[in-house]
Amino acid sequence: EAEVAQSPRYKITEKSQAVAFWCDPISGHATLYWYRQILGQGPELLVQFQDESVVDDSQLPKDRFSAERLKGVDSTLKIQPAELGDSAMYLCASSPSGQAYEQYFGPGTRLTVT
Amino acid sequence: KQEVTQIPAALSVPEGENLVLNCSFTDSAIYNLQWFRQDPGKGLTSLLLIQSSQREQTSGRLNASLDKSSGRSTLYIAASQPGDSATYLCAVRTGGGNKLTFGTGTQLKVEL
Repeated sequence: EAEVAQSPRYKITEKSQAVAFWCDPISGHATLYWYRQILGQGPELLVQFQDESVVDDSQLPKDRFSAERLKGVDSTLKIQPAELGDSAMYLCASSPSGQAYEQYFGPGTRLTVT
Repeated sequence: KQEVTQIPAALSVPEGENLVLNCSFTDSAIYNLQWFRQDPGKGLTSLLLIQSSQREQTSGRLNASLDKSSGRSTLYIAASQPGDSATYLCAVRTGGGNKLTFGTGTQLKVEL
């Protein structure tokens, strides 16, 4: 069964350093999402791509976060510089285009900023 | 702004018991609702997806219902097992962008 792949699974970094996460969606899924989940809370959408275009980045802290999906397939989320409050689980999900479809989630990247 | 609430926040039951998890949302103009399971430190596993035109969906021991007009959904788990122990999250899809809004989850523990 096809799965969403994410790497790394765990990342520890010092504050003010740069960090990057990678996501490979299920083949053929045009829509890709990055969510952030703080411990004890539900995931919150950071950015949504339709193919290579950003369709929603209203909750992305653009002063330090950036995301790209250059060829409309895999995606990278970057934080520079990292802050203590960025410690969270970063989840990637994908789905076919359209509202009727399920979103499928990857295993996530657990980020700890020290 | 859509808000999703899940009650209870935590639940502990003995093995074999049937149980109900609740989810409520403030904006009834949803496209669908999805229930997820999350094990500690892991990603989300989709359990059931209910379209706005549907009343319920079933998968094995799980049954999810949707009352869109009242802004409520329930997840019924029959004959609970220790392996069902996890956090259960509901999420609703609203707006033109396919965005999911999540609740904070119900942490379930099924004891032997």
